[in-house]
Amino acid sequence: GEDVEQSLFLSVREGDSSVINCTYTDSSSTYLYWYKQEPGAGLQLLTYIFSNMDMKQDQRLTVLLNKKDKHLSLRIADTQTGDSAIYFCAESMGSGNTGKLIFGQGTTLQVKP
Amino acid sequence: NAGVTQTPKFQVLKTGQSMTLQCAQDMNHNSMYWYRQDPGMGLRLIYYSASEGTTDKGEVPNGYNVSRLNKREFSLRLESAAPSQTSVYFCASSEFSSLAGPETQYFGPGTRLLVL
Repeated sequence: GEDVEQSLFLSVREGDSSVINCTYTDSSSTYLYWYKQEPGAGLQLLTYIFSNMDMKQDQRLTVLLNKKDKHLSLRIADTQTGDSAIYFCAESMGSGNTGKLIFGQGTTLQVKP
Repeated sequence: NAGVTQTPKFQVLKTGQSMTLQCAQDMNHNSMYWYRQDPGMGLRLIYYSASEGTTDKGEVPNGYNVSRLNKREFSLRLESAAPSQTSVYFCASSEFSSLAGPETQYFGPGTRLLVL
């Protein structure tokens, strides 16, 4: 079945770049997503990438997609303490887009001042 | 717009008790979802509803039932709570279209449930 894997924890210093990695199994997913969860809150969509793209940039965020290796990454430039949160990657469940998502375990990003 | 709202925010139950978690959205979305979040396991889909009047099982449906009361409301019921159901429960909604476009799910703030 479909599966999404992430490392659980990343610690960086303020001002450094953060790179959060994710691997997924369903090669038919049309979109892949990054969600952010701040303490005590629900998830919010951070960014997404269409599966026929290799890269997407949105201000401080860069998403890289390697379809051959089924590897997705999120780079946050100039990481700030406000970026401390849990980051989830997600892919569509099942073949094609069905509306349901499979989430990874989440990567806790700790930003030290 | 309030977005997705959930009640209650916190709940403590004894084993065997029942309760219903409420969820409502005011974005006129067709699809609604219930997830549970456990440490190191991410979010797992319990049930979802693609439209009013339909529900379907997700990855971990055992011990739960759902009701899509109308387009706005989607409730999750625990008939006989067990300690293994201690978790944080999130409701989400989306305007999924198979034609095009990414899936943006909007999440509620969560219900923290402790079963003793």
